[in-house]
Amino acid sequence: GQQLNQSPQSMFIQEGEDVSMNCTSSSIFNTWLWYKQDPGEGPVLLIALYKAGELTSNGRLTAQFGITRKDSFLNISASIPSDVGIYFCAGLENNDMRFGAGTRLTVKP
Amino acid sequence: DAGITQSPRHKVTETGTPVTLRCHQTENHRYMYWYRQDPGHGLRLIHYSYGVKDTDKGEVSDGYSVSRSKTEDFLLTLESATSSQTSVYFCAISELTSARETQYFGPGTRLLVL
Repeated sequence: GQQLNQSPQSMFIQEGEDVSMNCTSSSIFNTWLWYKQDPGEGPVLLIALYKAGELTSNGRLTAQFGITRKDSFLNISASIPSDVGIYFCAGLENNDMRFGAGTRLTVKP
Repeated sequence: DAGITQSPRHKVTETGTPVTLRCHQTENHRYMYWYRQDPGHGLRLIHYSYGVKDTDKGEVSDGYSVSRSKTEDFLLTLESATSSQTSVYFCAISELTSARETQYFGPGTRLLVL
């Protein structure tokens, strides 16, 4: 099936640093979603993007829907320890949703 | 938080035994989904339901069956569990409104097949 390529796989950063991760696909999507998963819990929706070129923020998080509709980016500014977790991208097209493999973020105090 | 619960939260079983996982929602959402999550993979769709008694296969449906007799409950059954079905299973719900759909996930069920 169609796969999303999410990178990087993992990141180790210092508290206060900014973080960037991205997701690319060989096919287009109408919707891009970013989730965060804490240990032992299900993914929680962070940001939803519905339009090519859209830039949306949620607090310190900013995500963009790529112009080509084949990619999306998530930025976290001024990271804090509670940002630790796994971040997943997901693309949705005609009720078919595909997920990236996740970016594991570690924040060192 | 969306009202989604999964039971059991953890289960250990033996190869060849049947296993049923339950997803319960209090949101009255039409769509329900079962995913599995494995290291190195994103969430992969097993089956989904678009209404009572209406279900369809996802990308990794072999070895799994589902049933939805009530809006609030979506059951996932492994008729004869295999070690390759050791995974974390997530249920999700959504309500499609125009072109916008977001899915909300349950807390997961960790299944170990010995």
